[in-house]
Amino acid sequence: RKEVEQDPGPFNVPEGATVAFNCTYSNSASQSFFWYRQDCRKEPKLLMSVYSSGNEDGRFTAQLNRASQYISLLIRDSKLSDSATYLCVVNMLGRGSTLGRLYFGRGTQLTVWP
Amino acid sequence: NAGVTQTPKFQVLKTGQSMTLQCAQDMNHEYMSWYRQDPGMGLRLIHYSVGAGITDQGEVPNGYNVSRSTTEDFPLRLLSAAPSQTSVYFCASKERGPETQYFGPGTRLLVL
Repeated sequence: RKEVEQDPGPFNVPEGATVAFNCTYSNSASQSFFWYRQDCRKEPKLLMSVYSSGNEDGRFTAQLNRASQYISLLIRDSKLSDSATYLCVVNMLGRGSTLGRLYFGRGTQLTVWP
Repeated sequence: NAGVTQTPKFQVLKTGQSMTLQCAQDMNHEYMSWYRQDPGMGLRLIHYSVGAGITDQGEVPNGYNVSRSTTEDFPLRLLSAAPSQTSVYFCASKERGPETQYFGPGTRLLVL
């Protein structure tokens, strides 16, 4: 089983729609959680961190459920510019190590159409 | 700050050739890593380093070597390129701890 699993999509939604992405992770000792965005032929860039209490950044809301080992990203009022691949990322401690390592999901592709 | 820089942006190699992908960061980050990204596979960790002089293998290290002689630089060497190494390579760096990573713009490699 991969450490981080995502629905690959693709998700095709009209402008203004609300869309949600889900992600599960395997290691209950995971430390921190992120959503990255990757545009076509570009490098991944941090979209937002995910906090235990849930957090919001404009139209984007991230949720974490540690008991279920589940992370979500909600995008409201989708814009054409939201079209990208969204990567779920989890920081996990290595065995016998105090240093974390990032594990990436395979990404969920979103296309917003006019 | 320039952040994380990678050279070259594009490279075409013939099978059996060797080359070095360069990566540098000016943020004084201890942790640097190399990933490859292939369609449908996501980002896979090749090698990483937790500081100058310290490197370790990631998920797909075979066919690649790394070294970390300075904090700033983390080159990735392909000793004998194979078509299976055709991919997009990303270098990344971060501070120690659970902080997020910063990625370079990537190197697109084609091995014929």
